Amino acid sequence: EVQLVESGGGLVQPGRSLRLSCAASGFTFDDYAMHWVRQAPGKGLEWVSGISWNSGSIGYADSVKGRFTISRDNAKNSLYLQMNSLRAEDTALYYCAKDSVKWVAARSFDYWGQGTLVTVSS
Amino acid sequence: QSALTQPASVSGSPGQSITISCTGTSSDVGSYNLVSWYQQHPGKAPKLMIYEVSKRPSGVSNRFSGSKSGNTASLTISGLQAEDEADYYCCSYAGSSTSHVVFGGGTKLTVL
Repeated sequence: EVQLVESGGGLVQPGRSLRLSCAASGFTFDDYAMHWVRQAPGKGLEWVSGISWNSGSIGYADSVKGRFTISRDNAKNSLYLQMNSLRAEDTALYYCAKDSVKWVAARSFDYWGQGTLVTVSS
Repeated sequence: QSALTQPASVSGSPGQSITISCTGTSSDVGSYNLVSWYQQHPGKAPKLMIYEVSKRPSGVSNRFSGSKSGNTASLTISGLQAEDEADYYCCSYAGSSTSHVVFGGGTKLTVL
């Protein structure tokens, strides 16, 4: 059974940093691209970032470019999102999602975690 | 990268069919057959319903179908059921020279 379990969310002050993690199991992690998708309270889905199977291709939404860094450790079956210079508008539930291909192509986000909540507030 | 445009809400009675549109540009929906659709019930994670414009994952009812014409993709749900009431989001690949991936703003489906 495929499982994606996010962690690392919490309450953080504006301008500070936070690192999210996603532990994957039930599939061959290094065969697939992975993504972070967020959802602000009461709002729609927003793609944040994606990383290819070998970390060779990475993409970011314009809203987080230069502040967030995605990475993965295939040996640990884990995906990460380093979030710096956090803003109030980054407040959201952050989902980890598996792609169905090796590259950042959004062919299909076929599995999702339950999300970890990030709240940016003073 | 602008979000794809979806109607904020649609509604239909049980047994009827509804269609949700998703309008992008020639840089995303119009350029790639990598449009997917997701269903989200309140408090739940999104669920993949359609991928590559019109393909259904195993386990998804054949009442759900997808199509695309030019820069607009569509999700059709036939034989509406109460459990179809949810938010629906389209998503498209937008190329590696841009932000790669863009979602629609979401459509709230109400089953009357």
